[in-house]
Amino acid sequence: QKEVEQNSGPLSVPEGAIASLNCTYSDRGSQSFFWYRQYSGKSPELIMSIYSNGDKEDGRFTAQLNKASQYVSLLIRDSQPSDSATYLCAVNINSNYQLIWGAGTKLIIKP
Amino acid sequence: DTGVSQNPRHKITKRGQNVTFRCDPISEHNRLYWYRQTLGQGPEFLTYFQNEAQLEKSRLLSDRFSAERPKGSFSTLEIQRTEQGDSAMYLCASSLGPRGSPLHFGNGTRLTVT
Repeated sequence: QKEVEQNSGPLSVPEGAIASLNCTYSDRGSQSFFWYRQYSGKSPELIMSIYSNGDKEDGRFTAQLNKASQYVSLLIRDSQPSDSATYLCAVNINSNYQLIWGAGTKLIIKP
Repeated sequence: DTGVSQNPRHKITKRGQNVTFRCDPISEHNRLYWYRQTLGQGPEFLTYFQNEAQLEKSRLLSDRFSAERPKGSFSTLEIQRTEQGDSAMYLCASSLGPRGSPLHFGNGTRLTVT
């Protein structure tokens, strides 16, 4: 059973602080990793993609991948109330085009 | 707007009725996916097309569900004899490029079965 695990939260972070979201996955054959943001009642929106070990930065967002430990994380610097949403981790294994999704972590940024 | 378009946005139907949803992907994207999402869960894979060919279908999908992509462009998802358990957000996504390319989602169709 291929799984992606996330802490459901809610994770509460003060405005301006760093929010750290984590995701672990079970299949060592996983090749592509994505973070999506989903506001309540809306569809998922791609935030970051990462394919190789290490850090990838895009504005206030940094994705970190460690294939040996089978985890991927998302850091949000200078958190804003507009960052309050559910963050979904998705993983693609090499054998097909499906994404395996975590259930998401609800993030709340407190002003 | 050149994003993924889904219609209708909302659908309320009575149990036992048939419903059909439409998805128009980003025009140059050759892959199209249907997902279902319920509250507090991540998207659940339903089916996937590459051009007009339906290449994968979830084993969780009952025979009441059928999807088509007749000309490799738009796609329809039909649910026959709807049940209350079918109430969910139905998401369409498209992608282009090699395996592992990111998905781009439409706004979804929220189905409520009464």
